[in-house]
Amino acid sequence: AQSVTQLDSQVPVFEEAPVELRCNYSSSVSVYLFWYVQYPNQGLQLLLKYLSGSTLVKGINGFEAEFNKSQTSFHLRKPSVHISDTAEYFCAVSDLTSNDYKLSFGAGTTVTVRA
Amino acid sequence: NAGVTQTPKFQVLKTGQSMTLQCAQDMNHNSMYWYRQDPGMGLRLIYYSASEGTTDKGEVPNGYNVSRLNKREFSLRLESAAPSQTSVYFCASSDWRTAPHGLFFGSGTQLSVL
Repeated sequence: AQSVTQLDSQVPVFEEAPVELRCNYSSSVSVYLFWYVQYPNQGLQLLLKYLSGSTLVKGINGFEAEFNKSQTSFHLRKPSVHISDTAEYFCAVSDLTSNDYKLSFGAGTTVTVRA
Repeated sequence: NAGVTQTPKFQVLKTGQSMTLQCAQDMNHNSMYWYRQDPGMGLRLIYYSASEGTTDKGEVPNGYNVSRLNKREFSLRLESAAPSQTSVYFCASSDWRTAPHGLFFGSGTQLSVL
C-alpha cells in the first residue's frame, strides 16, 4: 500500500513570491504521482501528473513539480504566485501495478496568498 | 461539458435517516469512485468501481453502500446516518486503460448529520 505525507499544512505567502509545497510518498512499487488543486467551495482539479520520463513536470497555471525517486518526493513549485492561487493543494499517489488505479491523497496544504 | 455531476449539493439529515447521493459522468469512463473529505485528513476512499458490474471497498467503507447502476452512474447510500458521516463527499471518474489522466471530480455534496 502507498501513502502520502504533505509536510506543511498551511503556507502563507506574499503575492509575486515563490512557493514550494512539499510532498513525500511511500510505496513498495512504482507509482504515478499527482498534484490537485481545490479552490474554495469547488471540487478538485488536476494541476499536473508524473507518469514516467522527465522528472520535471510542468502543469497548469505556471506550476511545476519534480519527481525525486531516491528521496521519494514530489514537491510542487511556482516561481511567482498570484492572489488567485489561494487554494488547498493535494498530493496523490497511485500504484502502477494495481488494476484499480485508486489514488491515495495527502492531508492537503492550504496556500494563502497575501497582497 | 458536464463531466461529473453530483446531486444534491447540500443535505442535512437527522441521525438514523437514510439517503442516496447520486453521481453521473458523461465521459464514458470505466472507473468511478466515492471519496469523503474531512479537515486535516485529505480525501479518503469510501468505495470504488473499477468497471461496470464491479464494486470494491476503499479505506473507509463502514456505514456506506454503493451501486454501479450502469457505466454512467454510481450512487452512494447511507442506510442509517451518523454524525461521524458529516463530511463533504466527492464522486470521481477515470479511464486508466486508455491513458492515466488521473481522476475527474464532481463539485461535491456537503452533508451534515445532526
